[in-house]
Amino acid sequence: EDKVVQSPLSLVVHEGDTVTLNCSYEVTNFRSLLWYKQEKKAPTFLFMLTSSGIEKKSGRLSSILDKKELFSILNITATQTGDSAIYLCAVEAFQNQFYFGTGTSLTVIP
Amino acid sequence: NAGVTQTPKFQVLKTGQSMTLQCAQDMNHEYMSWYRQDPGMGLRLIHYSVGAGITDQGEVPNGYNVSRSTTEDFPLRLLSAAPSQTSVYFCASRTHRDREKTGELFFGEGSRLTVL
Repeated sequence: EDKVVQSPLSLVVHEGDTVTLNCSYEVTNFRSLLWYKQEKKAPTFLFMLTSSGIEKKSGRLSSILDKKELFSILNITATQTGDSAIYLCAVEAFQNQFYFGTGTSLTVIP
Repeated sequence: NAGVTQTPKFQVLKTGQSMTLQCAQDMNHEYMSWYRQDPGMGLRLIHYSVGAGITDQGEVPNGYNVSRSTTEDFPLRLLSAAPSQTSVYFCASRTHRDREKTGELFFGEGSRLTVL
């Protein structure tokens, strides 16, 4: 059974802390792994990863994929209250199927 | 650019009623899909389409129908609503032809459905 597991389920940190969110997967015919940020409504795209070991970076956020060990991490440095959200990991398999994890709820306290 | 537009945003149904959730996108995306999001379950794929006239089942298709008569629209039909279909529904689209380069899914704002 294809599945995506995210950890931790929730996290509370103080502003300025660095956090690491984890995503492991067991998906047949892997195509890509995507990270999304979900605040009140629609998930918004952060990164798409297809190759192992190549870090994607956008400001204080970065992500990397390990296709041998079947996991990805999302790092957020110098966290801000605006980073409070649910972070979703999704894996795309062949035949256009996407499998999402349950998400990590991040709360950043001022 | 409106992106992905879903209507209605909220709906309350009684068990056994039918309804259609509408989804429209103006980005000329070939791929469109419907998800439901439930607490502790994440987003689960219901149905998807890679172009007009083509639809396929996702992970949780039972109780839902879809059709794709145009590139822009992808309605989701509940023929006989059940309390288990109480959820938040998201429509998402992306380019299919250039998906190797831009795999990003664009999501609508969501539709919250309650079945009593």
